[in-house]
Formats: sequence, C-alpha cells, structure tokens
Amino acid sequence: GDSVTQMEGPVTLSEEAFLTINCTYTATGYPSLFWYVQYPGEGLQLLLKATKADDKGSNKGFEATYRKETTSFHLEKGSVQVSDSAVYFCALSDRISNFGNEKLTFGTGTRLTIIP
Amino acid sequence: DAGVTQSPTHLIKTRGQQVTLRCSPKSGHDTVSWYQQALGQGPQFIFQYYEEEERQRGNFPDRFSGHQFPNYSSELNVNALLLGDSALYLCASSSGQGGGNTIYFGEGSWLTVV
Repeated sequence: GDSVTQMEGPVTLSEEAFLTINCTYTATGYPSLFWYVQYPGEGLQLLLKATKADDKGSNKGFEATYRKETTSFHLEKGSVQVSDSAVYFCALSDRISNFGNEKLTFGTGTRLTIIP
Repeated sequence: DAGVTQSPTHLIKTRGQQVTLRCSPKSGHDTVSWYQQALGQGPQFIFQYYEEEERQRGNFPDRFSGHQFPNYSSELNVNALLLGDSALYLCASSSGQGGGNTIYFGEGSWLTVV
C-alpha cells in the first residue's frame, strides 16, 4: 500500500538557519503530495501541495518539489523564524473512487523548534 | 467563510462507554473524512463519507462507525471504548468532484478514555 517516510525529529535550528525536512513516498499510482503543519494544540493546516511530477509547491517561504524519479518531496525554507516552530507532516493522496475523493496517507511528523 | 468545525473540543470517557463526535464541513464541500491521530503520530484514515455513503474504510474495527447527513455534516461513533482509543480525532472535508482537491481539516476533538 501507499506509505510516506519522513525525516525523524525533533529538529532544532537557530533563527535564520536553512531548513530541510526529508520526505519520500511509495505509491502505486500518481498521487498528489502535500505538506501540512500543526501548531501546538491545533488541527492540521495545509502548507503547500504539488499535484504532478516536477511541480513546485510554495507558501510562506516554504518550498517543495515533486520528484517522481526519486519519489521525494523534501520541504525547504531558506531562513526560518521562531514562528515556524510546529510539527510538519508530509502526506500523499490517493483517489478512492470516481465517486469519492482522496484520502491522505501521512508520515509520522517532524517536530521543528526554532531558537531565537 | 466558516472552515471545518468539530465538536466537542475535548471530552473524557470511561472504558466501555460510547462516544459521538460531530463535524460540519467547509462551505461548499460535500465529502467528509475522519482521521485518528494518536499522540506523537501522524493521522490515520478511519473512513470517508460522500453522498451519505461510506466510500472507503481504513484499518479500524467495526466499533468505529459513522454517518453523513443530507446537509453533508457527519458524525463519528465509537462503541465499547478502549484506553487505546484516546487520541485526537480530526475531521476533514473536500469537494467530491474531480481529483487533486485540497482537503481541509478541523481543529479536532480530543478524546481521553480512562
């Protein structure tokens, strides 16, 4: 079945450092790929997405490129801020049927802490 | 525009009891999915409802059941609660037509079983 493998955490960085969180996936078809973020005590918020190979998703300074050849979707940010401290989840979606919509398969999450 | 809303926010139940969690999808969405997120883990897919029918189910026992109403809102029911059912239960909504649609999540219902 589908699966997502995420970089183990926790990750601690200083403010303005460069961030990379690795994500690789296994899927039988051509899934869409997502990064979700979860702030303390909150639900999941979509950070960015890419729906086909070589697409780049971007939002709030974060970027990730859908790499079909390496089955990867690594999250990057050039200069992190304290407010980026959260748990980040990589996920893929798979169509359920022609009458339904996608279901998401998540990685285990990476806790990111940014130190001032 | 209200997003996905869930109730209750927090609840505590005793082993063996039953619980009902509720979800209203984002305006314009007709598909509702439920996920269970155990502490320190990623969310796990429970099931999805579209057109008032369960479309697919994840690896969860029959103690987990659901319903979707004509207004697209949904309920998740868990019977015979176990300690291991303690988790954050997330509702997600999307549009049922087409693919690549964005899935939006509510803030979740924290269930503690004691």
